[in-house]
Amino acid sequence: IAGITQAPTSQILAAGRRMTLRCTQDMRHNAMYWYRQDLGLGLRLIHYSNTAGTTGKGEVPDGYSVSRANTDDFPLTLASAVPSQTSVYFCASSEGLLGTDTQYFGPGTRLTVL
Amino acid sequence: DAKTTQPTSMDCAEGRAANLPCNHSTISGNEYVYWYRQIHSQGPQYIIHGLKNNETNEMASLIITEDRKSSTLILPHATLRDTAVYYCIVRAPSGSARQLTFGSGTQLTVLP
Repeated sequence: IAGITQAPTSQILAAGRRMTLRCTQDMRHNAMYWYRQDLGLGLRLIHYSNTAGTTGKGEVPDGYSVSRANTDDFPLTLASAVPSQTSVYFCASSEGLLGTDTQYFGPGTRLTVL
Repeated sequence: DAKTTQPTSMDCAEGRAANLPCNHSTISGNEYVYWYRQIHSQGPQYIIHGLKNNETNEMASLIITEDRKSSTLILPHATLRDTAVYYCIVRAPSGSARQLTFGSGTQLTVLP
C-alpha cells in the first residue's frame, strides 16, 4: 500500500506559469487536504475536500484551486504562480465523515517560483 | 482545540527510551491526544493517539495521566532515525475535514 503519493517531488517554475501539483491516495479516504509549509509559519491549510465532488477553502486559499473528481485524486492548481507561492506543499487524507480524524501526509512537493 | 505545551528540545541516547512530555491542562472530555512527528524535509507522520487509556503500537506508547491533563510519548528504543520534531495535538473528533494545527513541538535529537 503506497498511502499518499505526490508529484512532482520538486519543481522550479517561472512566475506567471500555470502549475498543477498532483496527489493520489489509495486508502479510500473520504477527506483530503492541501497544506503549505513555510519556515517559521508552520503548516497552513489551503483547501480541503470532505468527499469526492466537494471542496472547501482553508486558511490561505488565494491563488490556488482544487478539484475532487473522484475519491483518490486531489490536484492543486496554481493558475498564475507568484514568488510568494514558493513553499513546500503537503497533501494529506483522513477517513473523514464519521471515521477517525487522523491525517496521513504525503512526502511533499518543493516548489520554487522565480 | 485545547492548547498544548511541550519542551522546545530534548536529547536522547541511541538505544535508550525517549520520553516526550506534553501538558494539556484545558483538555475537554471528548478531545483526543494525537502525536505526530516531522523528520527534516519529510511530510508529517502520524504516530499514535488516545482518549483516556494508555495506547501502544509498533512505533510508540502513549501514557495519559488519569486526570488527562498531561501525557507522555515513549519511543522505547530510540534510533538515529527518530531524530525529528514531535508534535502533541489535542482535538475533538469531527465529522468533517478541518485543519490540523501543529504547535512548536519538541525537537528530539537522538545521539549516537
